[in-house]
Amino acid sequence: DAMVIQNPRYQVTQFGKPVTLSCSQTLNHNVMYWYQQKSSQAPKLLFHYYDKDFNNEADTPDNFQSRRPNTSFCFLDIRSPGLGDAAMYLCATSRPSGGPYEQYFGPGTRLTVT
Amino acid sequence: QQPVQSPQAVILREGEDAVINCSSSKALYSVHWYRQKHGEAPVFLMILLKGGEQKGHEKISASFNEKKQQSSLYLTASQLSYSGTYFCGTSLHPGNNRKLIWGLGTSLAVNP
Repeated sequence: DAMVIQNPRYQVTQFGKPVTLSCSQTLNHNVMYWYQQKSSQAPKLLFHYYDKDFNNEADTPDNFQSRRPNTSFCFLDIRSPGLGDAAMYLCATSRPSGGPYEQYFGPGTRLTVT
Repeated sequence: QQPVQSPQAVILREGEDAVINCSSSKALYSVHWYRQKHGEAPVFLMILLKGGEQKGHEKISASFNEKKQQSSLYLTASQLSYSGTYFCGTSLHPGNNRKLIWGLGTSLAVNP
């Protein structure tokens, strides 16, 4: 089945130790999103890509970076994780503008910072 | 311009109905509804685009008022599987409909 896959599902990292989360999709969607979601809060958009066009949210900390080497894959790099970065990280995809179109979410990566 | 969702939380007995509202101070281009179960990713329910539009799937339906400033999600004869947090996501312009502005969510618990 076509889907959005995130690896790993659970990630534990140490304070200040870089970590990379990955997302892949078989939907061939042009748009990919990274969200941060903390407990009992709405998803917070960090970045999104339209093809290779990168769009950073104004309030996304510099500590967060992203790469999209091809249509199928997208990575979230957290350069120096702090305790406040512990959260669920959600990847989502959608078709490009001309919609609006629904967003398809992956299962998420739960990040713990020790 | 974050949309306001109300109520913040609802507790129902199985078979009861609920209405969740999503309101904006500005006219919206579109409203998206998602349901998220605890520990899982949000799942798409429906999109509303036109003023006065109503959409439904089985016992879950939604409306978008004529002024396009409020959408309501209707859950009828609720089932245990309806439990979760419901989010509305909104966009203001057709040129920027890739990004959604999310409401804070409404927590719905359906008890036997």
